[in-house]
Amino acid sequence: QVQLQESGPGLVRPSETLSLTCIVSGSSLRGGYYWGWIRRSPGKALEWMASIYHGGNTYYNPSLESRVTVSVDTSIHQFSLRLTSVTAADTAVYFCARGGVTGPTRYFDSWGRGTLVTVSS
Amino acid sequence: EVALTQSPGTLSLSPGERVTLSCRASRGVGSNYLAWYQHKPDQAPRLLIYGASSRASGIPGRFSGSGSGTDFTLTISRLEPEDVAVYYCQQYGSSPWTFGQGTKVEIK
Repeated sequence: QVQLQESGPGLVRPSETLSLTCIVSGSSLRGGYYWGWIRRSPGKALEWMASIYHGGNTYYNPSLESRVTVSVDTSIHQFSLRLTSVTAADTAVYFCARGGVTGPTRYFDSWGRGTLVTVSS
Repeated sequence: EVALTQSPGTLSLSPGERVTLSCRASRGVGSNYLAWYQHKPDQAPRLLIYGASSRASGIPGRFSGSGSGTDFTLTISRLEPEDVAVYYCQQYGSSPWTFGQGTKVEIK
């Protein structure tokens, strides 16, 4: 059974970079999946941020593309998110999740519990 | 991008009642690539439905999805106490993938 666990600082200063990692167990990062990040800001809908395939192919939400980078390290079973120049609007619960590669399977079939990141000075 | 609007915002029903949640898209969802998720506090969101109407592995039969184009529905045939959660729809037919704002289901 696949399990995902987000980790990272709970507090980030404005204008700094938010960095999170997702540790994956029970599923190979080299398998036929995309690995993604989704967030939920207070009072807002869930927002898909980015996804990455182990070969390096990436998809980014255009609304965040200039500030977001995702990477994967299969040797340590984790993938990561970097969000630069954060503001209070980036305060959210951040989830990592596993998604399918092909069109019919690009839903997220496994998720982490999420980690709250607050942007504040 | 495809905006998804869920209604109602909150639903309060008695155990055993039928629950109907709506998800409306701002334009047609490509190939009806629409999923539903259940999110309970302090738990990971759980995939319920994909492809608008296919139940995910291990999901009880009381959960069903229907719809096409711009209008989709998640139905819980008989509400159980453990179904208390927020339910989200998501379209993955066109990038960026988008989610609805969620419907909270409570027990009366």
